[in-house]
Amino acid sequence: NAGVTQTPKFQVLKTGQSMTLQCAQDMNHEYMSWYRQDPGMGLRLIHYSVGAGITDQGEVPNGYNVSRSTTEDFPLRLLSAAPSQTSVYFCASYWNTEAFFGQGTRLTVV
Amino acid sequence: QQQVKQSPQSLIVQKGGISIINCAYENTAFDYFPWYQQFPGKGPALLIAIRPDVSEKKEGRFTISFNKSAKQFSLHIMDSQPGDSATYFCAASMKGSARQLTFGSGTQLTVLP
Repeated sequence: NAGVTQTPKFQVLKTGQSMTLQCAQDMNHEYMSWYRQDPGMGLRLIHYSVGAGITDQGEVPNGYNVSRSTTEDFPLRLLSAAPSQTSVYFCASYWNTEAFFGQGTRLTVV
Repeated sequence: QQQVKQSPQSLIVQKGGISIINCAYENTAFDYFPWYQQFPGKGPALLIAIRPDVSEKKEGRFTISFNKSAKQFSLHIMDSQPGDSATYFCAASMKGSARQLTFGSGTQLTVLP
């Protein structure tokens, strides 16, 4: 079982560049989320989706866009990367209250 | 502001010892308290969870103790093993929003052989 798959695993961006972090799940879960993990701050919720076509903001949404056109995919877009967005990004899908996380994307913005 | 405060930041325990990680929260609307375990290079994975209608939940060597009046909960790892070395996160969520998790800052546990 693939579970939650994130690509790429590593990425270096220059300030002002844009990119999309991909997230796909094969468990047919309706609910999906994006978190960022920073040292000493745990994981913070960026955006979430309760199903295809429905998204909402989490705790730290500024600088990020999401869309959910299918149940399987939940991409996270950075329109104009900033050094403050250097972080490890995790996508998760949920069965009931249990979150299943991908392996993460380590993003560095220089 | 951090709604879930976790301590200690790091913990070193001898094999066979007891590891204790503590979390405190302010928001009385929280009603679901999971613990997640994360190994290096991996995403977090659910370890154990509790709701405030019970004071303790045990699964194998892992126990959550919950003190509703003090707004605190803790993870106890009995007979700690080197394979338990990982980062542990407590989290909380509100009724009706169980999937919108607020995480603590994490505890890096090292169990020495």
